[in-house]
Amino acid sequence: AQTVTQSQPEMSVQEAETVTLSCTYDTSESNYYLFWYKQPPSRQMILVIRQEAYKQQNATENRFSVNFQKAAKSFSLKISDSQLGDTAMYFCAFIGGNTPLVFGKGTRLSVIA
Amino acid sequence: EPEVTQTPSHQVTQMGQEVILRCVPISNHLYFYWYRQILGQKVEFLVSFYNNEISEKSEIFDDQFSVERPDGSNFTLKIRSTKLEDSAMYFCASRELGTPNEAFFGQGTRLTVV
Repeated sequence: AQTVTQSQPEMSVQEAETVTLSCTYDTSESNYYLFWYKQPPSRQMILVIRQEAYKQQNATENRFSVNFQKAAKSFSLKISDSQLGDTAMYFCAFIGGNTPLVFGKGTRLSVIA
Repeated sequence: EPEVTQTPSHQVTQMGQEVILRCVPISNHLYFYWYRQILGQKVEFLVSFYNNEISEKSEIFDDQFSVERPDGSNFTLKIRSTKLEDSAMYFCASRELGTPNEAFFGQGTRLTVV
């Protein structure tokens, strides 16, 4: 069974600084996707970034980038130039084969002015 | 841009009552999911649905829960006799055929059981 582990329940960062959220996963699948979702106080689930396992290049979306280490089964999210609006819960998630999307427990990020 | 829509956005119900949460998946998607998130906790998988039948379900998805695709567009989650502990955010998601692939989430329905 696939598992996703986020070892940082809470993190904080100063506005304009950079922060990295950690995520590790376990799977026997060779082809899969990894995602980071943002959940603001509204509790809507917003896709931040995704990574296809067969792509070696790390995904980037504006201020958001990932460090995907397939051999280590690690998938961290880096947020550059943090903004107050980045304050939210961040969930790492995995989908492989026909299995449903599996989420980590989340990291609560607070951006401090 | 196509999106998954859920209705209602918030539902309050009395304990013991039946509720139906509605979802309209993206039109060309063939896999449908329901997830639950109790306040402050992780997002938990409930059930997946493909080809008009349940393809996988979690331990949470007991006999109180059922899903249905009553027509070509809606995908519903029914809770027969709600309990206080059913209070949560319920998310519907859908994805295309082809594995693996991104799941698109609706905005969620906040269910409050009183």
